[in-house]
Amino acid sequence: EIVLTQSPATLSLSPGERATLSCRASQSVYTYLAWYQQQPGQAPRLLLYDASKRATGIPARFSGSGSGTDFTLTISSLQPEDFAVYYCQHRGSWPPSFGPGTTVDFK
Amino acid sequence: QVQLQESGPGLVKPSETLSLTCTVSGGSIAPYYWSWIRQPPGKELEFIGYIFYSGTTNYNPSLKSRVTMSVDTSKNQFSLKLSSVNAADTAVYYCARIFPRGNDILTYYFDSWGQGTQVTVSS
Repeated sequence: EIVLTQSPATLSLSPGERATLSCRASQSVYTYLAWYQQQPGQAPRLLLYDASKRATGIPARFSGSGSGTDFTLTISSLQPEDFAVYYCQHRGSWPPSFGPGTTVDFK
Repeated sequence: QVQLQESGPGLVKPSETLSLTCTVSGGSIAPYYWSWIRQPPGKELEFIGYIFYSGTTNYNPSLKSRVTMSVDTSKNQFSLKLSSVNAADTAVYYCARIFPRGNDILTYYFDSWGQGTQVTVSS
């Protein structure tokens, strides 16, 4: 079973700053990786899939890159509504699984 | 825009069976794949399994011996049963649609989610 790790656990930034989040897989998941955003008390929202493709309605400030075992989610300029928890999720093998999350909070 | 809503008991006794239903509105349950995902307190999300509108299922090996999913297309609902529960099954349970991308309707990504329902296992 593939294990995903995310770093950092917490990222403290100010609005307008650039956020760079990392997700690493224990073995290759090719480009079969998604990113989700979760606000407190809400369900996760799909941001990106296949490592770099934005889901419907997702702003262009969210971008993703990577393949194999190393992936990055970048938020180019943080908006107040972007402060949340971000999870990566793979579909590279059965079963799909999620990483432990990165919290982006206010500095 | 499809909407999902979980329903079921919020408290289940140890060793009993957890039963949840997800009602889909704003769209048909066919021809999509649907899933259950849970999130224990302070922990990461865990994929439980999926069901196709036709009834085909596949479960996470970690839970396979205790999980049963079913679908009722006439009611636009699908359900989860988890048997022999214990405290480790305490979690927020989400139902979600597997993101259909063109001809690939089993992408294993999740694009529409219910709001989640808290299930606590306690006597």
